Amino acid sequence: DAGITQSPRHKVTETGTPVTLRCHQTENHRYMYWYRQDPGHGLRLIHYSYGVKDTDKGEVSDGYSVSRSKTEDFLLTLESATSSQTSVYFCAISERGSEKLFFGSGTQLSVL
Amino acid sequence: AQSVTQLDSQVPVFEEAPVELRCNYSSSVSVYLFWYVQYPNQGLQLLLKYLSGSTLVKGINGFEAEFNKSQTSFHLRKPSVHISDTAEYFCAVSDFVQGAQKLVFGQGTRLTINP
Repeated sequence: DAGITQSPRHKVTETGTPVTLRCHQTENHRYMYWYRQDPGHGLRLIHYSYGVKDTDKGEVSDGYSVSRSKTEDFLLTLESATSSQTSVYFCAISERGSEKLFFGSGTQLSVL
Repeated sequence: AQSVTQLDSQVPVFEEAPVELRCNYSSSVSVYLFWYVQYPNQGLQLLLKYLSGSTLVKGINGFEAEFNKSQTSFHLRKPSVHISDTAEYFCAVSDFVQGAQKLVFGQGTRLTINP
């Protein structure tokens, strides 16, 4: 299995609070991604990174920000969580020239 | 914009029966197509991929898929399923941007194997 660790694995929070999810990789892969999974929607790309400090928006980026200060860490922040952001969040990584993504085990986030 | 439609949200089959999970895509350019599998409470794993060449692609665990450009389809098949194949299956199309692979996923098909 690819060395991807997501933390926390589960989180319950209240509407309006800030939340940060962490993705840590030990593979030294260049590209990192954040997806959210919702029933009936499959997985949708939130943000991705193509290098340290280089990030770009995905399909559903509103309400989310990201940061990547080191190759191994990619943080996803919900500045003010809303109930519509209740979801399972997956981090993924890939290497340049490779078409294969490796996924983490996910973070279950509930916003009450 | 690229999109993927999985035509069945749930597919129940009996053990050792054949199965086909249907996927149609929409893209105006050359496509890379994938099937990923998600076992309960886990992340996704790559099952197989089509990049170019032979339209019949073989993957892990006995699965195969056929790329059909004229019908814009990429259906997944297995001739005989096992209980362990119970999972959710996702079809995806890829868009490479700055070397990053931005996958667009279908809605998923939940495959349930009954003994």
